[in-house]
Amino acid sequence: DIQMTQSPASLSASVGDRVTITCRASRSISSYLNWYQQKPGKAPKLLIYLASSLKSGVPSRFSGSGSGTDFTLTISSLQPEDFATYYCQQSFSNVFTFGPGTKVDV
Amino acid sequence: EVQVVESGGGLVQPGGSLRLSCSTSGFIFNNYWMGWVRQAPGKGLQSVANLKHDGSETFYEDSVKGRFTISRDNAKNSLYLQMSSLRGEDTAVYYCARGDHKSAWYGLFDHWGQGSLVTVS
Repeated sequence: DIQMTQSPASLSASVGDRVTITCRASRSISSYLNWYQQKPGKAPKLLIYLASSLKSGVPSRFSGSGSGTDFTLTISSLQPEDFATYYCQQSFSNVFTFGPGTKVDV
Repeated sequence: EVQVVESGGGLVQPGGSLRLSCSTSGFIFNNYWMGWVRQAPGKGLQSVANLKHDGSETFYEDSVKGRFTISRDNAKNSLYLQMSSLRGEDTAVYYCARGDHKSAWYGLFDHWGQGSLVTVS
């Protein structure tokens, strides 16, 4: 199975900050990497697919990059509604795996 | 508008069985992969099972192989998860999620239900 790790596990930030979250795969997954945002008590929401493609309707302050084993989610200017937990997910194998999550709070 | 609604969760004893259902609307169901993702209390996300648009291929996370069965009824626009030999570690919120259109492979889940809580105790 492909294992996913994320760093940091949590971070504290302020509105307007630039935030970067890293995701690493245990082996190359090409660009088969998706990012989700989840708020407490809610279902996850897809933000980015195929490492860098922004889902329609997602604000442009979110961006993704990377390929192979190392990936990054960047929020260019953190907004109050962005405080949440972020998960990466590999889809290189048909059995998907998620990273452990990164909690972004104040 | 795409809608995904789970039902069937509840309290079950260890070793017992439960069937989750997922009713969908707002899209052509038989054109899409579907999947189940679970989240144990206070924990992260875990993909449980995926099913191809035509039902011809299924994929399971190792810990549920042989115990869970994912299926679909394209005539009813519905997805199911039959769970048996349930264990305490299966306790989680189970989300039904829409996957890729049959024409492309990104391995994403772009629409999720609100989740259904399964408690094994």
